[in-house]
Amino acid sequence: DAEITQSPRHKITETGRQVTLACHQTWNHNNMFWYRQDLGHGLRLIHYSYGVHDTNKGEVSDGYSVSRSNTEDLPLTLESAASSQTSVYFCASSIAPNEKLFFGSGTQLSVL
Amino acid sequence: GEDVEQSLFLSVREGDSSVINCTYTDSSSTYLYWYKQEPGAGLQLLTYIFSNMDMKQDQRLTVLLNKKDKHLSLRIADTQTGDSAIYFCAENGGNNRLAFGKGNQVVVIP
Repeated sequence: DAEITQSPRHKITETGRQVTLACHQTWNHNNMFWYRQDLGHGLRLIHYSYGVHDTNKGEVSDGYSVSRSNTEDLPLTLESAASSQTSVYFCASSIAPNEKLFFGSGTQLSVL
Repeated sequence: GEDVEQSLFLSVREGDSSVINCTYTDSSSTYLYWYKQEPGAGLQLLTYIFSNMDMKQDQRLTVLLNKKDKHLSLRIADTQTGDSAIYFCAENGGNNRLAFGKGNQVVVIP
């Protein structure tokens, strides 16, 4: 069955370190998204991509970057992790940009 | 831009009906969605409604849409313990991606 997977499920890192969260989908969806979920803020969009080599900033993109070298993967990189980036991160994909999203199971990131 | 509002918390007794409300701002939205997030999991699409519909029924779920007031609701009949979750509404507004509300935590009391 097609699916979307995130790894790792849990990550603990130190401030200042570079961290990369992986997202892989097998639906051949062109559109992929990264969100962070925080209490009181709901889901906030970090970065998104509408296809290979396309990347766009979301509402909370500072301190994050993404790259899209193939259809299946959209890794999220924290260039220099900060404690404010402690959060749960969700990757999602869709057939069309504003149609229903399919979500991964999330990555719990703690920056100490 | 879009702004999707939800109340934060609802407790309901098992067997009762629960109603979750949502307001949105973008009248150009063509679809409105309800997602369910169980503890420790990602969001799963629960149901959705096309903007030209007033109501959609799907087993225990009823979605009501009031386009004039930009109000969306989700009614869960015969609420069960497995319905305990966070529920998010979302709209597909004019900027070509979904906008989510902050979520509504539903706790079902046995």
